[in-house]
Amino acid sequence: DIQMTQSPSSLSASVGDRVTITCRASQGISNYLAWFQQKPGKAPKSLIFAASSLQSGVPSKFSGSGSGTDFTLTISSLQPEDFATYYCQQYNSYPYTFGQGTNLEIK
Amino acid sequence: QVQLVQSGAEVKKPGASVKVSCKASGYTFTNHYMHWVRQAPGQGLEWMGIINPGGGRTTYAQKFQGRITMTRDTSTSTVYMEVSSLRSDDTAVYYCARDGADWGQGTLVIVSA
Repeated sequence: DIQMTQSPSSLSASVGDRVTITCRASQGISNYLAWFQQKPGKAPKSLIFAASSLQSGVPSKFSGSGSGTDFTLTISSLQPEDFATYYCQQYNSYPYTFGQGTNLEIK
Repeated sequence: QVQLVQSGAEVKKPGASVKVSCKASGYTFTNHYMHWVRQAPGQGLEWMGIINPGGGRTTYAQKFQGRITMTRDTSTSTVYMEVSSLRSDDTAVYYCARDGADWGQGTLVIVSA
């Protein structure tokens, strides 16, 4: 199985900050990488697919990059509604594994 | 708009089975794969498997092989996932997700004696 490792596991930031979350795959996955946002008690929300393509309706403050084994999710100008847990997921090969999550908290 | 509506919460005893449903609307049911993902309390997301509603073909994570069965009913645009031989560590919220992009609201399954 491909292991997905996110860093950091938790992150404190302030409203207005720009933050970057990293996701590393244990082997190359081309650009078959998705990012999700999850708020407590809610289903995950898809943000990005194919490493850098924004899902419809997702604001452009979210951006993704990377290919192969190293990927990043950047969120600019943090707003209160952005504080949540973020997950990456590879869909290059079965099983489609998730990272352990990054908990983004308000400082 | 795409909607995925899942069945309600379940409480089961260890060793029992549970069948969760996910009714789709707002798109052509047979044209999009459906994933099942679960999340234990306070834990991360775990991918369980995928079904192609068009032909019914399934792929399961090795961890769940032999214990889960995904099926679909094209007449009602509904996918199902049955988990057998339930254990306490199967207690989780179970989600269906269309192509990973649109998600159901989740179904809480509690396994307790």
